Amino acid sequence: DAGITQSPRHKVTETGTPVTLRCHQTENHRYMYWYRQDPGHGLRLIHYSYGVKDTDKGEVSDGYSVSRSKTEDFLLTLESATSSQTSVYFCAISEVYREWTEAFFGQGTRLTVV
Amino acid sequence: AQKITQTQPGMFVQEKEAVTLDCTYDTSDQSYGLFWYKQPSSGEMIFLIYQGSYDEQNATEGRYSLNFQKARKSANLVISASQLGDSAMYFCAMREMTGANNLFFGTGTRLTVIP
Repeated sequence: DAGITQSPRHKVTETGTPVTLRCHQTENHRYMYWYRQDPGHGLRLIHYSYGVKDTDKGEVSDGYSVSRSKTEDFLLTLESATSSQTSVYFCAISEVYREWTEAFFGQGTRLTVV
Repeated sequence: AQKITQTQPGMFVQEKEAVTLDCTYDTSDQSYGLFWYKQPSSGEMIFLIYQGSYDEQNATEGRYSLNFQKARKSANLVISASQLGDSAMYFCAMREMTGANNLFFGTGTRLTVIP
């Protein structure tokens, strides 16, 4: 199994509070991703990183920011959580940036915003 | 337009039978990859199988095979000899040569294996 750890695994937070989710990998893969999973939508890309301090937006990036200060860590921050951000969040990693490359996923973080 | 379409929200199959989960895709790239992932009730995403757009043979991995029909833009997953442990959500996904940063997912098919 790919060494990907997400923390926390579950979190309940109040609307308007900041929340940070952490993804830690031990595979030394260059590319890291944050997805959210919602019923009827599958998984959708929020942000991704192609190196330390190199990040870019995905298809659903509004309301989220990311940071990557070390190869192994990729943080996702909800600056002011809203109920629409209640979701399951997955971190993923891949070794290279090509169309034939599978991504390996962490176990997910279930976030509930009340 | 949806890049990945999975039209079967739920499927049932008898234990030991084969089942096909449908996936169609939309891309204008010549080079792309197609993937299937399994998500059991525990929630993790497990990579099952990959098919490249230039691969002439259908991919196989144990009991999983991918029925790739390029002209029809379909990439159906076939599970042979279904087992109770195959009960899960299955997602089809695609990564394109242009914009390979993103793995586009379908909405998934929930497979239930009946004893």
